[in-house]
Order: sequence, then C-alpha cells, then structure tokens
Amino acid sequence: EPEVTQTPSHQVTQMGQEVILRCVPISNHLYFYWYRQILGQKVEFLVSFYNNEISEKSEIFDDQFSVERPDGSNFTLKIRSTKLEDSAMYFCASSETTSGGDEQFFGPGTRLTVL
Amino acid sequence: AQSVTQPDIHITVSEGASLELRCNYSYGATPYLFWYVQSPGQGLQLLLKYFSGDTLVQGIKGFEAEFKRSQSSFNLRKPSVHWSDAAEYFCAVGNKAAGNKLTFGGGTRVLVKP
Repeated sequence: EPEVTQTPSHQVTQMGQEVILRCVPISNHLYFYWYRQILGQKVEFLVSFYNNEISEKSEIFDDQFSVERPDGSNFTLKIRSTKLEDSAMYFCASSETTSGGDEQFFGPGTRLTVL
Repeated sequence: AQSVTQPDIHITVSEGASLELRCNYSYGATPYLFWYVQSPGQGLQLLLKYFSGDTLVQGIKGFEAEFKRSQSSFNLRKPSVHWSDAAEYFCAVGNKAAGNKLTFGGGTRVLVKP
C-alpha cells in the first residue's frame, strides 16, 4: 500500500539554525500539507500546498517557514532560523483531491528538537 | 472558526468491553468529520469519515461513528475492544474552503487492560 514517508525521523538542531524537513507524498496525490504537534498539545495545521502554490496557511506559518516541491517527488518544509518553541513533531500529509471528505494520508512524522 | 473538543484525555477499558470516545465540533456549515488513530511511533491513520448521507458510518478495525447534528457530536464506538486498539485517537473537522485544512481535537489516549 502506498504511504507517505518523512526524513529524518528525528532532527536535533541548535537555536537559530536552519532545518529542512523532507517528505515524499503518495505519487498520484496533488495536495500536500504540513501539520505539527507540540508535545502534549493538539495537532495543528501549518500549510496546504497545491500546484506549486500555498493554498492556505495558519498564523503559525510565519516568514520563518517556507515550503517547496523541488522536484516531482519531494515536498519540504524549511524553518529558516529555529526557535526553542519550534520543537515539535512535524507531520506531512497528502491527498488526491480536496473533494469533501477526501482522506489525507499522514507520514510517520519528524521529531524536531531545538536546543 | 472551527474547533473540535474531545472531553476525555484518557480512557481505560478492559479487553472485550465496549468503547465510546466523545467528539464535539463547532463548524459553520456541513462538517466533514474524521477519526484518526495514532499508534506509538506511527503516523495518523484514518479510521472513518463522514461528509454526507447515512449518519452512522462504518470504518476499519470494527469502529463506527455516529454524526448527530443536533448535538454537534461525532462519537466513535467499538463493541469489543482488542489489546491492539490501545492508541491515541483524534477527531478532526475538515474545511474544504480553507485549503482542506483539518482541525484536530486534543486526542483521547486509550489504554486496554487484559
């Protein structure tokens, strides 16, 4: 069964450093998402992406964040200058369409630790 | 703004007993509702979804959920729990008009006693 994959599974970085989290969505999917979950808190929407453009972004997704689909398979989330409060589990998801009720398939997540 | 509340943070249930997880949502239009399950070290897996039609929805692993518009609820049920059902369960509402973003509840952690 096709699945969303994410690398690395765990990333440790120093405050102020740039990090890039990578995702490979399911191959025939056209819509891509990033969510994050700070330890002990809810899963929060960050951004959705379609046709090489951001469709929607949350208040969390400020100028420090960017997303890119650099080739036909990868989907990346870049945090330009990490802060302590960026420590969280980051989930990538993809869906075939945005029809009502369309399932988003989630990857296993990347745990980001900012020291 | 849409929101989802899962009132129970933890639930402990004996193997073979029934399980019900509560979910209440706030959304201005007809909601798209989902239940996801997360096992340790895994991503979120869809159990079932509702967007129209029959208000009783069947999902994978023997789960079902009932949409009750009058109560703004979408509770998840399973008649007989197995040890492998120990996991965290998330209810979510989807917003098609906003990039299809999902808004999640806080999750309910289910522990299964032998």
